[in-house]
Amino acid sequence: DSGVTQTPKHLITATGQRVTLRCSPRSGDLSVYWYQQSLDQGLQFLIQYYNGEERAKGNILERFSAQQFPDLHSELNLSSLELGDSALYFCASSRLSNTGELFFGEGSRLTVL
Amino acid sequence: AQRVTQPEKLLSVFKGAPVELKCNYSYSGSPELFWYVQYSRQRLQLLLRHISRESIKGFTADLNKGETSFHLKKPFAQEEDSAMYYCALSPVKQTGANNLFFGTGTRLTVIP
Repeated sequence: DSGVTQTPKHLITATGQRVTLRCSPRSGDLSVYWYQQSLDQGLQFLIQYYNGEERAKGNILERFSAQQFPDLHSELNLSSLELGDSALYFCASSRLSNTGELFFGEGSRLTVL
Repeated sequence: AQRVTQPEKLLSVFKGAPVELKCNYSYSGSPELFWYVQYSRQRLQLLLRHISRESIKGFTADLNKGETSFHLKKPFAQEEDSAMYYCALSPVKQTGANNLFFGTGTRLTVIP
């Protein structure tokens, strides 16, 4: 499957901990996006990378950080976790930076206890 | 700042009935608008975009700049249309950043 892959699918951790979510974009896609979906919330845009560089930033907390590596995979780091960080985190990718068609992964469900 | 509003969390219609999913937006410039859909146990995927002006799976959406709306319509709903629908806005920027801003979504259920 050459679609967007995210790992892990599920993650349970405790408050105060740090986790890393990983995303591999579709083959050939240079842009990667991270979104957070909390209960009863829409998808909140966190951050976008294009070919290794940060391109746009949304409502990403200072406790969160991300990067895109030379092989174009991306990681989202969440630290000092709080109960409210429990959510579904989606990664998406697109071929160019300025196109509206994003291809989404299945998401990583984070539960903070 | 941009904002996308989908006023209905849930919408149920009978098979064969018309369906309209509402979307309103606020943005100072000229946005690009999209509808994304997530079927049960599938990934979120693009349904249609306003610049294409095409009908996908019988759905159409017209951008009304005067009313800042981009409602999704289908004249005869089918059971396979049951899904979660998200309206999304992309602020057109010369820098090329095309992050999408999503509404909270509407869950459509088509009753047999």
